[in-house]
Amino acid sequence: KAGVTQTPRYLIKTRGQQVTLSCSPISGHRSVSWYQQTPGQGLQFLFEYFSETQRNKGNFPGRFSGRQFSNSRSEMNVSTLELGDSALYLCASSRGGQRELNTGELFFGEGSRLTVL
Amino acid sequence: DQQVKQNSPSLSVQEGRISILNCDYTNSMFDYFLWYKKYPAEGPTFLISISSIKDKNEDGRFTVFLNKSAKHLSLHIVPSQPGDSAVYFCAASRLLSGSARQLTFGSGTQLTVLP
Repeated sequence: KAGVTQTPRYLIKTRGQQVTLSCSPISGHRSVSWYQQTPGQGLQFLFEYFSETQRNKGNFPGRFSGRQFSNSRSEMNVSTLELGDSALYLCASSRGGQRELNTGELFFGEGSRLTVL
Repeated sequence: DQQVKQNSPSLSVQEGRISILNCDYTNSMFDYFLWYKKYPAEGPTFLISISSIKDKNEDGRFTVFLNKSAKHLSLHIVPSQPGDSAVYFCAASRLLSGSARQLTFGSGTQLTVLP
């Protein structure tokens, strides 16, 4: 079955602009999580959506927002871009229900590489 | 506050030898630990996990050891192969309210297996 799909794969923006990233989870997966990866910082948790509701949120400013649609597809938006927002943004999906309670295993997409100039 | 730490940014090992990647955590609420592997230009892929009630889990060439009292886990790869060269992320999982779970990742270790 198809994996997690993220678009666009690469994009370049300038400071002050905004960006929207898209994620299509694995079919049947209702939970979508977003992570930011920067060199030396690992993967920093942004937020998680389950059944169109934000279920969990990391420690990022309000410029970072997201949403999930009824088909489980998700988007994240970053407004008023800063140079420090340059990163690889990773989306991950899971069924999100009881079956995943035991491990928290996530299935990741290939990421969207954002460069802010 | 880094709850999951991988103190070695890089590790080089000869092909055929053992690779040992280490990870420390601080939060006692973590009850599952996972290792992910990441190649350049790809997303992380799940490798192996271990429950906090166990001290060892083995899957082929990969074994994860958990020392709960020391809040330390390690991933052993035996024998190491050049295709194992990748960034390895340690992750710790805890249950939040309801059915939500959160994964907290370490900063990663770049493993290079030399032929």
